[in-house]
Amino acid sequence: RKEVEQDPGPFNVPEGATVAFNCTYSNSASQSFFWYRQDCRKEPKLLMSVYSSGNEDGRFTAQLNRASQYISLLIRDSKLSDSATYLCVVLNFGNEKLTFGTGTRLTIIP
Amino acid sequence: DTEVTQTPKHLVMGMTNKKSLKCEQHMGHRAMYWYKQKAKKPPELMFVYSYEKLSINESVPSRFSPECPNSSLLNLHLHALQPEDSALYLCASSQDRDLRDEQYFGPGTRLTVT
Repeated sequence: RKEVEQDPGPFNVPEGATVAFNCTYSNSASQSFFWYRQDCRKEPKLLMSVYSSGNEDGRFTAQLNRASQYISLLIRDSKLSDSATYLCVVLNFGNEKLTFGTGTRLTIIP
Repeated sequence: DTEVTQTPKHLVMGMTNKKSLKCEQHMGHRAMYWYKQKAKKPPELMFVYSYEKLSINESVPSRFSPECPNSSLLNLHLHALQPEDSALYLCASSQDRDLRDEQYFGPGTRLTVT
């Protein structure tokens, strides 16, 4: 089983729709969680950290469920510019390394 | 400012060449990282420097040699590479090695080994 698993997609979603991604992680010692987005042939950019209480940044909402070991990302009112690959990233206690999921490809359709 | 810069943007080198990749950050971050990313794959960690000391080497072949001259700079020296080493090489930095620290990535160097 992979340490961090994501549905690779692709997700093709009409503009203005709401889209949600889930990510599961296998190491219960995982301590920090992030969503990054990566555009084609560009570097990963931090989208948001994911906190236990959940957090929201504009149209983006991240949730963490430690009991079930999954992280979610919700994008509301999707824009064309949201088209990218979304990487679920986990940092484990004592390991201090980021473990990346394989990414979920999202395309917003006009 | 969360900027990490990398040079060059693109590099083509032969298998007998020696070249270096450079990374710089002026955010006062004390941890710096090298990652390798192949197409359609997530980044893979290569090296971690913390307070200018190498703290993690992910069993990277010796043809890749990292160097951290000071807290703002990170180099990756390349020698006798193979075509399969062609990839996007990403540098990242974080404030320190605290577990909650986000990492910020540079734009990468796209390396082609011929």
